[in-house]
Amino acid sequence: DTGVSQNPRHKITKRGQNVTFRCDPISEHNRLYWYRQTLGQGPEFLTYFQNEAQLEKSRLLSDRFSAERPKGSFSTLEIQRTEQGDSAMYLCASSLDGGRDTEAFFGQGTRLTVV
Amino acid sequence: KQEVTQIPAALSVPEGENLVLNCSFTDSAIYNLQWFRQDPGKGLTSLLLIQSSQREQTSGRLNASLDKSSGRSTLYIAASQPGDSATYLCAVETSSNTGKLIFGQGTTLQVKP
Repeated sequence: DTGVSQNPRHKITKRGQNVTFRCDPISEHNRLYWYRQTLGQGPEFLTYFQNEAQLEKSRLLSDRFSAERPKGSFSTLEIQRTEQGDSAMYLCASSLDGGRDTEAFFGQGTRLTVV
Repeated sequence: KQEVTQIPAALSVPEGENLVLNCSFTDSAIYNLQWFRQDPGKGLTSLLLIQSSQREQTSGRLNASLDKSSGRSTLYIAASQPGDSATYLCAVETSSNTGKLIFGQGTTLQVKP
């Protein structure tokens, strides 16, 4: 499978625990994005990387959230001290930095439930 | 601040009907617009991308149009099928060319056999 891969697909955690999600983008894509989607809403931008550099972070990304892309390939998103309001689908996308015709390709998402 | 709105929020049609989904955005300074499909509990599948200089794009039974000056896009689905049932999302990339997408809330389509 050469698409965007996210693991795990589902995660149930107790409030206060830390969780980490992984995203493997399409191999030649140098841009990687994280979005969060709650029920009935469209995805909201969290952060993006160009190669290993994190270039933009949304105000939605509180201090409890951190994302890394250490070698410009896969990325991890960690949430510390999870809260019930963190329950959502976390989506990863990748694209090429190639001008106006660069589509974003999304993974299947990680569904987080905080109980 | 760019805002994207999709109307209606939900739509139910009989199989075979042609239909139009609407998307509007508040700031016409966009880089491109992309339409996605999302099945329940799944990720997003890209359907069509329209560059800001283009007026429309077609793929099979799908046709997407863009009127940047009025801040509108439509997704036309011809001869709808039950397999088209899904949520359709439009997203705009702002003019900064970061690739960051701003999404509408989606239109959930049900095509009844």
